[in-house]
Amino acid sequence: DIQLTQSPSFLSASVGDRVTITCRASQGISSYLAWYQQKPGKAPNLLIYAASTLQSGVPSRFSGSGSGTEFTLTISSLQPEDFATYYCQQVNSYPLTFGGGTKVEIK
Amino acid sequence: EVQLVESGGGLVQPGGSLRLSCAASGFTLSGYYMDWFRQAPGKGLEWVGRTRNKANSYTTEYAASVKGRFTISRDDSKNSLYLQMNSLSTEDTAMYYCARYILVTSLRYSDYWGQGTLVTVSS
Repeated sequence: DIQLTQSPSFLSASVGDRVTITCRASQGISSYLAWYQQKPGKAPNLLIYAASTLQSGVPSRFSGSGSGTEFTLTISSLQPEDFATYYCQQVNSYPLTFGGGTKVEIK
Repeated sequence: EVQLVESGGGLVQPGGSLRLSCAASGFTLSGYYMDWFRQAPGKGLEWVGRTRNKANSYTTEYAASVKGRFTISRDDSKNSLYLQMNSLSTEDTAMYYCARYILVTSLRYSDYWGQGTLVTVSS
């Protein structure tokens, strides 16, 4: 199975901050990586697919980059509604796997 | 508007069975792969399994943790997806989500998710 390691697991930041979350895969997955945002009590919401393609309707302050084994999700200017948990997911091979999550909280 | 609505969750004893449903609307189910995911209380996301679309003969894939106990099926005429769960253990306690999967050349992602249905396995 492909393991995804997200860092940090917890992040405290202020509104307006630039935030970067890293996801490392245990083996190469090309660009078969997605990022999801999840708020408490809600289903995950797709932000980025194919490592860097912004899902329709997602604000442009979100961006993704990377390929192979190292990926990043960047929020250019953190907004109050962005405080949530973020997960990366690999869709390169079965079983599909997720990173452990990064909880972004208000500083 | 695409919508996915899960139902069928509840409290079940260890060793018991439960069948979850996912009602799809706003799109033609037969054209899509569909996944089930779950999330144990306070934990991360876990993929449970997949059913491919009609063009790919509705074949299925499962996570090792549920293989042989869970079965994914679908009734495209009813625009519905199902998850039959047998031999349940306390480790299966989770919120269960269905999600639509997009597979277009090199683009692969789950774009729509339901709101989830909670399964609690406890005596």
